[in-house]
This record gives sequence, C-alpha cells and structure tokens, in this order.
Amino acid sequence: NFMLTQPHSVSESPGRTVSISCTRSSGRIDSNYVQWYQQRPGSAPTTLISEFNHRPSGVPDRFSGSIDGSSNSASLTISRLRAEDEADYYCQSYDINNHWVFGGGTRLTVL
Amino acid sequence: EVRLMESGGGLVKPGGSLTLSCVASGFTFSSYGLTWVRQAPGKGLEWVSFIASGASYINYADSVRGRFTISRDDAKNSLYLQMNSLRADDTSVYYCMTRPSTGTYSGHWGRGTLVTVSS
Repeated sequence: NFMLTQPHSVSESPGRTVSISCTRSSGRIDSNYVQWYQQRPGSAPTTLISEFNHRPSGVPDRFSGSIDGSSNSASLTISRLRAEDEADYYCQSYDINNHWVFGGGTRLTVL
Repeated sequence: EVRLMESGGGLVKPGGSLTLSCVASGFTFSSYGLTWVRQAPGKGLEWVSFIASGASYINYADSVRGRFTISRDDAKNSLYLQMNSLRADDTSVYYCMTRPSTGTYSGHWGRGTLVTVSS
C-alpha cells in the first residue's frame, strides 16, 4: 500500500496564493484519482476537488487541483486567500484494492 | 438540495453493537455509490466502507472488515452501517457521503453522527 503525505500546516496572508502538497509514497500519482476536502472547525468535510481537478458546483474558482509527475504529488492551490479559507485540508486517493487512502491533513492558517 | 442525514450514534460498551443510518434526499439515491468515513476525536479522516449502486460492489477498510457491514435500501433512500464487536478505537464521528466523481450530486457529505465506545 502507499501513503499520502501532506505538510502538517501552512500559513499565508489574505489575498495571497497558497499551495498544499500531497505526495504519494509509491506508485504513480496519476494512477488513481485524487480528491481534496475542506473541513472548517467544528463542521463536516466538504468536497473541493474530485478526479484531480474537477470542481463541484458551488466551489469557488479560487480553488484548483493539479498533479506533478516529477514530484509524484498532487497540489491544491487556493488563490485570493480569504479568512474563511482557514480550515483543515485533506487529500484522498485509491489503492489497487479500491481502498480509500487519506493524507494526514494540513491545517491552513490565514494570517 | 442534496441532504444526507446520519443517525444512530451513541454510547456503547466495548464488544457491543450499533447500527448507523444515513437518509438521503435531493438526488437519485439508487444511482450513486456511497461511502462511510470516520474521524476520531482530534484526528484525521479514515475511510470505513464503500457500497456501489445496486450493491454490486462492497469494500471495507482492513480495520473494520469482519466486524462492520454496509448495506443500502434504495426504496428508503437509506444507507446503513451495522457495527459489531465495537472497540474503543472505533470511537469517532461517522460521516456518510456520495462517492466523489464529476457527477452532479457526487461528493456530498452528511453532518455526521458520534459513536463513543467506552465502558
């Protein structure tokens, strides 16, 4: 099986752009879809990105997903950062047995 | 509006059983794969189980296989998770969600129900 490694925390100022990485430990990052979820304090998660870069209806275009084969990682990029973006962010993919694998989560602090 | 509402959580002793329910509305329930995800207090997300549309495919995390059973009743727009032989480390908020994809109603989450396993 593989692991998805995320930075424990990131911080950035309002109006700036921040990226959160999700590195796959083995196997190609593009071999299985990657999703991104946002969880604000005290709330249930919501889906920000599905299937690498699809943004569900209602998700602002400030959020985007991408993958980088050279680093074997996926990234969530948030532009025009807002105070309301302060939350935990999780990446998720699938293994060869169709088990879901979650990253450990990244706490985003908006300074 | 898509709604997923979990229920059935509560306090149960180690070794006990509990059945969670998730009632859905606002979309064609029978067409979607459904997932249970849990989150222990102060911890990250952990996948529990998945059931495809028509229950054509079912899968479990290793940590719950043999103890938990997922099922669905499309006539009642309901998803279930029967949990047996519960352990302290099963203590979590349990969320149901529609399988993420590019579909219109994919990737929706419920608000969760808390299961506490303690003597």
